[in-house]
Amino acid sequence: GEDVEQSLFLSVREGDSSVINCTYTDSSSTYLYWYKQEPGAGLQLLTYIFSNMDMKQDQRLTVLLNKKDKHLSLRIADTQTGDSAIYFCAEGRGYQKVTFGTGTKLQVIP
Amino acid sequence: DAGVIQSPRHEVTEMGQEVTLRCKPISGHNSLFWYRQTMMRGLELLIYFNNNVPIDDSGMPEDRFSAKMPNASFSTLKIQPSEPRDSAVYFCASSLDEATYEQYFGPGTRLTVT
Repeated sequence: GEDVEQSLFLSVREGDSSVINCTYTDSSSTYLYWYKQEPGAGLQLLTYIFSNMDMKQDQRLTVLLNKKDKHLSLRIADTQTGDSAIYFCAEGRGYQKVTFGTGTKLQVIP
Repeated sequence: DAGVIQSPRHEVTEMGQEVTLRCKPISGHNSLFWYRQTMMRGLELLIYFNNNVPIDDSGMPEDRFSAKMPNASFSTLKIQPSEPRDSAVYFCASSLDEATYEQYFGPGTRLTVT
C-alpha cells in the first residue's frame, strides 16, 4: 500500500532556508503535493509537482523530486514567522485518492 | 466563493450519543472527501464521493460511521454511537473533478466525545 513519511518537527531561524523532506513508497504516483496547515485551519495546497518533473520553483518555494529514491523535498527560502505551520507531503495517482504524510511542524524562531 | 463550509466547528458530546457532521462543498465541485485528523494517526481519508456516489469507503473505521451525499451541495458524516476514541478533527474537502489535482479543505469540526 501507499505510505508517505516525514520528520515530525523542524526549527529554523527567521531569514534562513527551511528544507522539509518526505519519502513515499508508491512508484505509480502521478502527482506529489505540499500542503500547509495553519493552526485551527484546514489544509491548503502550496504547490505540486508532476512525477515526470525533477524540480519546480514558485517564488520562495522550491520542490525537488528524486523519483528513483522516491524522495520529495520542499525548500522555503528566507523563512518568515508566517511560515510557521504544519507541512504535509502527499501523493496521488491522478484520481482523487491522495495519501498524506504525517506532517512536519515548522517552527520559525525570530 | 465561501469555500468549503463545515458545521458545527466544535462539538462536545457524551459517549453513546449520535453525532452528525455537515459539509457544503464548493459550488461546482463534484468530488467530496471526509478526513479525520488525530495526533496519533495523522490525517486519514475516511470516504470520498464523486458525483454524489461513494467511490471508496475503505477508510471508514467501523459500522458506527456512515456518510451520505444526498445532493451535490451537501454531505453528512454520522457517528452512532460515538465513543471517546472518535475524538478528532474531521475535515471535509472538495475538488473540481477526478482529474483535478487540488483538494480544497474546510476549516474542520473538532469533535470531543467524553
